[in-house]
Amino acid sequence: GAGVSQTPSNKVTEKGKYVELRCDPISGHTALYWYRQSLGQGPEFLIYFQGTGAADDSGLPNDRFFAVRPEGSVSTLKIQRTERGDSAVYLCASSFLSGAQETQYFGPGTRLLVL
Amino acid sequence: SQELEQSPQSLIVQEGKNLTINCTSSKTLYGLYWYKQKYGEGLIFLMMLQKGGEEKSHEKITAKLDEKKQQSSLHITASQPSHAGIYLCGGYKGGSNYKLTFGKGTLLTVNP
Repeated sequence: GAGVSQTPSNKVTEKGKYVELRCDPISGHTALYWYRQSLGQGPEFLIYFQGTGAADDSGLPNDRFFAVRPEGSVSTLKIQRTERGDSAVYLCASSFLSGAQETQYFGPGTRLLVL
Repeated sequence: SQELEQSPQSLIVQEGKNLTINCTSSKTLYGLYWYKQKYGEGLIFLMMLQKGGEEKSHEKITAKLDEKKQQSSLHITASQPSHAGIYLCGGYKGGSNYKLTFGKGTLLTVNP
């Protein structure tokens, strides 16, 4: 079946602009995660959804970052007033349930460049 | 900050050679995952280990988790150019069964 998809694959924006990144999880997966990966680093947790609600948003760096998952499927990560430091690869993952036994399947990522 | 240490940071091997990548945590892990990453393809799941002393193999790749569940190794036998990429270990620590913590990755190059 189809894997996790993310759009756009690349996004170039100017400092101060607003961006939205979209994630389509694997069909039937209830848990959805966003991670951010800077150059030369491993992915870092941002936020976790179980169904429609954000169960843990402790990884969001500040209040410019916000994510939604209104119908428990597609999720959108929103970044306001982008800064050059926001440049990174934003990865989305999903799993059937949450838990240490549940494998998180990752999408290809959105490469965000803030000029 | 990265809480899983991977070594080496990068590795260049000749095709056909064996190699090992290590992943170490200062805390007990409740689930250790190995992923491979290539540009434009995100993270590809390789294997998951949960129990101390567990070992799993798939094709030419073997992963082990030590008894204390703080150290894992990934071994590739008779490497091929298709094995090239970045190998990432990720684990769950106590208190969270959904937040994966990753190492910085090991960049593997396999020369034909």
